[in-house]
Amino acid sequence: DQQVKQNSPSLSVQEGRISILNCDYTNSMFDYFLWYKKYPAEGPTFLISISSIKDKNEDGRFTVFLNKSAKHLSLHIVPSQPGDSAVYFCAASTGGNKLVFGAGTILRVKS
Amino acid sequence: NAGVTQTPKFQVLKTGQSMTLQCAQDMNHEYMSWYRQDPGMGLRLIHYSVGAGITDQGEVPNGYNVSRSTTEDFPLRLLSAAPSQTSVYFCASSRGISQIQPQHFGDGTRLSIL
Repeated sequence: DQQVKQNSPSLSVQEGRISILNCDYTNSMFDYFLWYKKYPAEGPTFLISISSIKDKNEDGRFTVFLNKSAKHLSLHIVPSQPGDSAVYFCAASTGGNKLVFGAGTILRVKS
Repeated sequence: NAGVTQTPKFQVLKTGQSMTLQCAQDMNHEYMSWYRQDPGMGLRLIHYSVGAGITDQGEVPNGYNVSRSTTEDFPLRLLSAAPSQTSVYFCASSRGISQIQPQHFGDGTRLSIL
């Protein structure tokens, strides 16, 4: 019973183009969402977050969109760079620091 | 600026053995947690702590014990290792417990149980 789902195991994008990573959730009590990036042999690093009271949050090349009615969020990376190649995890919380993670999406940015 | 330090990085155990995975943070964070990462399942919360002397169970606590005697350290103990505990283990910490704060992760311990 996965409450947070990342249905695309992998995504390949050309350098300079937009990368869109998707995440769906089932628990309507989730009120905070985060994206983490993970390189091989390293721990996940925080990328960007969004509260359920917002529908968009932007930080440089990274933008997260939240559609509460559809229980869907997405991470947009524009423009994509080869250094963005990593595993991206979507995570959600009902409050506090207990996170529920998705299975991750492997992003490959081709130069 | 060490952040979250996990030791060892790799470990191979035999079924039934016990061991302790170490985790230390130097950021004076109140909140610490342990996750395991398995293929196709993302990270799952094992145990967490909101401060010294306070621990609680996460999503998959069976077979693991934790304690938090100091703010800095949060060891994870495997009581009797089983092949199902083969995984990559991540420790994380964050400041504050009443609201979401981004968690800082260690680089993980890759554990194999034979």
